Amino acid sequence: DIQMTQSPSTLSASVGDRVTIICRASQSISTYLNWYQQKPGKAPNLLIYAASSLQSGVPSRFSGSGSGTDFTLTISSLQPEDFATYYCQQTYGYPRTFGQGTKVDVK
Amino acid sequence: QVQLVQSGAEIKKPGASVKVSCQTSGYSFTVYDINWVRQATGQGLEWMGWMNPNTGSTDYPQKFQGRVTMTFNASITTAYLELSGLTSDDTAVYYCARIYDFWGASDFWGQGTLVTVSS
Repeated sequence: DIQMTQSPSTLSASVGDRVTIICRASQSISTYLNWYQQKPGKAPNLLIYAASSLQSGVPSRFSGSGSGTDFTLTISSLQPEDFATYYCQQTYGYPRTFGQGTKVDVK
Repeated sequence: QVQLVQSGAEIKKPGASVKVSCQTSGYSFTVYDINWVRQATGQGLEWMGWMNPNTGSTDYPQKFQGRVTMTFNASITTAYLELSGLTSDDTAVYYCARIYDFWGASDFWGQGTLVTVSS
């Protein structure tokens, strides 16, 4: 199985901060990497697919980059509604696997 | 608009089976594959498998093989997840999600179904 490792596990930040979350795959996954945001009690919400493509309706402050084994999700200016948990997911191989999540909380 | 509406919460005894439904609307049911994902309380997301509602093809992780079955009824545009041999470790929220495209991302999700396994 392809292991996905996110860092950090928790990130404390303030409104307006630039935030970067890292996701590393245990083997090359090309750009088969997706990012989701999840708020408590809610289903995940797709932010980025194919490593860098912004899902329709997602604010442009979210961006993704990377290929191979190393990927990043960046929030250019953190907004109050962005405090949430973020997950990466690889869709290169089976089984599909998620990172363990990164919780972005208030500093 | 695209919607996936799941069945209500379930309480099951250890050893029992559970069947969760995912009724879809707003798109052509047989065109998009369906993922099932679960999340134990306070934990991360776990992929349980994938189903093609046109061909009936499925793929399950080895962890769930022999215990999980994904089916569908195209006439009512509904997908189903059945999990047997329940243990307390299966207590979780179960989500269905539409697979968006070639890249395998899930763009629309059900609201989740809480399955509690308790004696």
